[in-house]
Amino acid sequence: AQTVTQSQPEMSVQEAETVTLSCTYDTSESDYYLFWYKQPPSRQMILVIRQEAYKQQNATENRFSVNFQKAAKSFSLKISDSQLGDAAMYFCAYRIITGANSKLTFGKGITLSVRP
Amino acid sequence: GAVVSQHPSWVICKSGTSVKIECRSLDFQATTMFWYRQFPKQSLMLMATSNEGSKATYEQGVEKDKFLINHASLTLSTLTVTSAHPEDSSFYICSATLGVGRYEQYFGPGTRLTVT
Repeated sequence: AQTVTQSQPEMSVQEAETVTLSCTYDTSESDYYLFWYKQPPSRQMILVIRQEAYKQQNATENRFSVNFQKAAKSFSLKISDSQLGDAAMYFCAYRIITGANSKLTFGKGITLSVRP
Repeated sequence: GAVVSQHPSWVICKSGTSVKIECRSLDFQATTMFWYRQFPKQSLMLMATSNEGSKATYEQGVEKDKFLINHASLTLSTLTVTSAHPEDSSFYICSATLGVGRYEQYFGPGTRLTVT
């Protein structure tokens, strides 16, 4: 079974600084997607960034980037120039590529606070 | 982008009554919808996967007779919590996918259920 592990329950970062959120996963599949979702206090799930496992290049979306290490099964999220609006719960998630019914497997999440 | 709505956003019901939660894809046809349950400060727990016109597939440990899921059309899925009890109080989130081969999963804003 696939598992996603986020070992840090909470992190804090100073506004304008950089923070890295860790995630590891376990799978026997070779083709899959990895995601980072943000859940602010409104509780609306927001897709931050995705990575296809077959792509070697790390995904980047503005201030958000990932460090994808396929052999190590590691998928960390780096947030640069942190903003107050980045404060939220962040979930790492995994999904195999094939099939519309394939499920997202979420990590336990990490609560990120941003200090002004 | 694709939008998923949920109704109601918050519902309070008395113990022993049933409550229905609607999930709609507003601007796309959703072949597959997912229902999640989330407790405060915890991750999303998948309850079931539903396909239009088919019976839902429930995750292990989820009571099928208690959480009735109906996916009557490509834009609407409903979750009915039957004979609700205080322990059913939680945040329920639905999500929808566009179809086979599409990685995107669009989340609704969630429904807070409080059973008194």
